[in-house]
Amino acid sequence: GDSVTQMEGPVTLSEEAFLTINCTYTATGYPSLFWYVQYPGEGLQLLLKATKADDKGSNKGFEATYRKETTSFHLEKGSVQVSDSAVYFCALTGGTDKLIFGTGTRLQVFP
Amino acid sequence: GAVVSQHPSRVICKSGTSVKIECRSLDFQATTMFWYRQFPKQSLMLMATSNEGSKATYEQGVEKDKFLINHASLTLSTLTVTSAHPEDSSFYICSAIRTGTDTQYFGPGTRLTVL
Repeated sequence: GDSVTQMEGPVTLSEEAFLTINCTYTATGYPSLFWYVQYPGEGLQLLLKATKADDKGSNKGFEATYRKETTSFHLEKGSVQVSDSAVYFCALTGGTDKLIFGTGTRLQVFP
Repeated sequence: GAVVSQHPSRVICKSGTSVKIECRSLDFQATTMFWYRQFPKQSLMLMATSNEGSKATYEQGVEKDKFLINHASLTLSTLTVTSAHPEDSSFYICSAIRTGTDTQYFGPGTRLTVL
């Protein structure tokens, strides 16, 4: 079945460092891809999404490009801030509304 | 923005009792809501899809008689954990899809501890 694999954390960075969180997927058909973020004590929030190959989703300085050839949707940010510390989830929907999540990657940014 | 609330945020109960968790979409109507369970350091596991006015659709391996779902209105879905046991202790999260869109908005979650 469909699945999402993302790198284990925690990812620990200094402020203003470059961030990459890897995400690969397995799916039949053409899924939509998402990154969700969960800040401490809060619910998941949609960070960005891409619905077809080569689409780039972006929000709050974060970007991810839908790469069909490598079945990847890596999350990147050029300069992280302490306020970006959170858990990031990669997810897909494969033709239905059901979201399939990766295990989440905790990001810790230190000043 | 689209806000989804859950109540309660935390609940502790004795083994054998039932617990009801509410999920509300505060500023939009949601024909479809989802219930997830999240274990420590693990991903969200979809338990069931809740459709307003009809029976919930449960994922494989989820006991529908144990996790009762009611979606009686376009803004409210409830999850009742019946005869709770310690292994039901978990973080339960709901999400709601604004009618006419495909974006899920998540609630803040409910931490259930069964003693």
